[in-house]
Amino acid sequence: SQTIHQWPATLVQPVGSPLSLECTVEGTSNPNLYWYRQAAGRGLQLLFYSVGIGQISSEVPQNLSASRPQDRQFILSSKKLLLSDSGFYLCAWIRLRGPGTDTQYFGPGTRLTVL
Amino acid sequence: GIQVEQSPPDLILQEGANSTLRCNFSDSVNNLQWFHQNPWGQLINLFYIPSGTKQNGRLSATTVATERYSLLYISSSQTTDSGVYFCRYAGNNRKLIWGLGTSLAVNP
Repeated sequence: SQTIHQWPATLVQPVGSPLSLECTVEGTSNPNLYWYRQAAGRGLQLLFYSVGIGQISSEVPQNLSASRPQDRQFILSSKKLLLSDSGFYLCAWIRLRGPGTDTQYFGPGTRLTVL
Repeated sequence: GIQVEQSPPDLILQEGANSTLRCNFSDSVNNLQWFHQNPWGQLINLFYIPSGTKQNGRLSATTVATERYSLLYISSSQTTDSGVYFCRYAGNNRKLIWGLGTSLAVNP
């Protein structure tokens, strides 16, 4: 079965410090991977998605970047964190089952607090 | 752009009560999925339901694609049902759009 891992689970960082969140998927190959941010417990905001190694699409301009160095690894980074980067970060992958059919699975999330 | 609206935004129930959550979308649907986010943040897939009706225990979902809505039914609610329920929509271009969720609190 497929599983998705994220770490760390929680993180407290000062403003201006760098960030690296990691997401890995097991049990599947060539997944579509996604990074979402959720603020105040509501509304998932898509940050980045990737359809393959080295292929990153950004949905919103921001202080963050993403990389996909390996097929099943997706990394979210920042050089200098802002207060507004606080939130709950979720990694997800999609199982493609055919045209117009796909289901999305989420990791456990990382709760980031920027002070 | 395409709108995905969930209602009600907040819901408080007594344990044992039934409820219906609604997700309206403004264009033809290719993919519709319901998720439950528990109080610890974990997002769980409930149903993949672009059309028709599915049931899983006390939960069931119906999507009426021609009328552009989906419903999630919770029967005999339990405190463990608390959390936020999201619908996630995809149209013909397969771009994923999330509703803002319904926050459910089930009191003992």
